[in-house]
Amino acid sequence: AQSVTQPDIHITVSEGASLELRCNYSYGATPYLFWYVQSPGQGLQLLLKYFSGDTLVQGIKGFEAEFKRSQSSFNLRKPSVHWSDAAEYFCAVGDWNTGNQFYFGTGTSLTVIP
Amino acid sequence: GAGVSQSPSNKVTEKGKDVELRCDPISGHTALYWYRQSLGQGLEFLIYFQGNSAPDKSGLPSDRFSAERTGGSVSTLTIQRTQQEDSAVYLCASSLAVVETQYFGPGTRLLVL
Repeated sequence: AQSVTQPDIHITVSEGASLELRCNYSYGATPYLFWYVQSPGQGLQLLLKYFSGDTLVQGIKGFEAEFKRSQSSFNLRKPSVHWSDAAEYFCAVGDWNTGNQFYFGTGTSLTVIP
Repeated sequence: GAGVSQSPSNKVTEKGKDVELRCDPISGHTALYWYRQSLGQGLEFLIYFQGNSAPDKSGLPSDRFSAERTGGSVSTLTIQRTQQEDSAVYLCASSLAVVETQYFGPGTRLLVL
């Protein structure tokens, strides 16, 4: 069965520290992947996406993610976290072959402490 | 430009009543998706439309849920005989094509008493 796993339900980091949010998927041989962020009271905003090509993708707000096919992972990173990054982060996966479904992880809640 | 809009933003209803949720996608977007986000949960895929047709209805949780899209634009998600477990935020997204970035609306927060 297809699945997207975000193993960390909640992460707390200090402002200025580095961040890595994990995402693993079990979905198809030709995935396309996204990271979305949902701030309190806000809608989902796309941070970055991977369709093909370079496996290291850059997104908005200084985020990047690396697609590792061998590990079925698409982890999100940021070298220095800002207080405004506190939000819920969702990894999502679709498949080029089917294209018709799109699976989200359960999310990782990020708290940033001063 | 205008993004995805959803109405109402909040809906409180009594158990057993029917509700209709509306989604206005971004103009020109052929694909439209409905999701449900329950408290503390991720997003649950419900249904998607390519144009006016819905090739995949497998995500609808029960036969009380239905959706339609007319004119390749506006979509409505209808929940009949609402139950308390239907309480959630219902999110709509649209994309230029099926395998493209989805842009999300602000959601409709449904509370069934």
